[in-house]
Amino acid sequence: GDSVTQMEGPVTLSEEAFLTINCTYTATGYPSLFWYVQYPGEGLQLLLKATKADDKGSNKGFEATYRKETTSFHLEKGSVQVSDSAVYFCALTLNTNAGKSTFGDGTTLTVKP
Amino acid sequence: GAGVSQSPSNKVTEKGKDVELRCDPISGHTALYWYRQSLGQGLEFLIYFQGNSAPDKSGLPSDRFSAERTGGSVSTLTIQRTQQEDSAVYLCASSFHLDRQETQYFGPGTRLLVL
Repeated sequence: GDSVTQMEGPVTLSEEAFLTINCTYTATGYPSLFWYVQYPGEGLQLLLKATKADDKGSNKGFEATYRKETTSFHLEKGSVQVSDSAVYFCALTLNTNAGKSTFGDGTTLTVKP
Repeated sequence: GAGVSQSPSNKVTEKGKDVELRCDPISGHTALYWYRQSLGQGLEFLIYFQGNSAPDKSGLPSDRFSAERTGGSVSTLTIQRTQQEDSAVYLCASSFHLDRQETQYFGPGTRLLVL
């Protein structure tokens, strides 16, 4: 079946460090890929997305590139801030069943000043 | 405009009781989704609606779970004869259309504790 595998957390970084959170997927169809973020005490919200191979999603200094050849969608940020501390979820939605998204287990990021 | 709202925000119930969780999607959103998030786990898909129709109920964990949507708007998720393993945060989301490119907008969740 379809699945999303995320880098296990928790991840702890110092402010201004480089961030990578790995995400790989298996899918029977042609997915769109998403990163959602859940800040402390808040609901999930979209961070960025990419809908076709080689597309790059970007938002708030975060980037992720849809790599079909490696079935990956790794999240990166060049310089993290304390305010980036949150739980990050990688997700996919297939063209063949758009109502049934698949989410990873989430990666908790803590950024220390 | 208003986001997705869910009620109650917290629910504590005794094992064996029925509970009803409510979701108000963003106005005009035709697709609505229910997920369950257990402690330290990812999101488990439960069911989705396109309009008032639920084409795929295979994600519901057991026949104690049911959901409906009326008027293309409000949805309720009902859990009958609750068990302790039903304790989790239940999330609702909506999107403008049912399409693989659509962003889902999430509500704050209902935290259910079954004693």
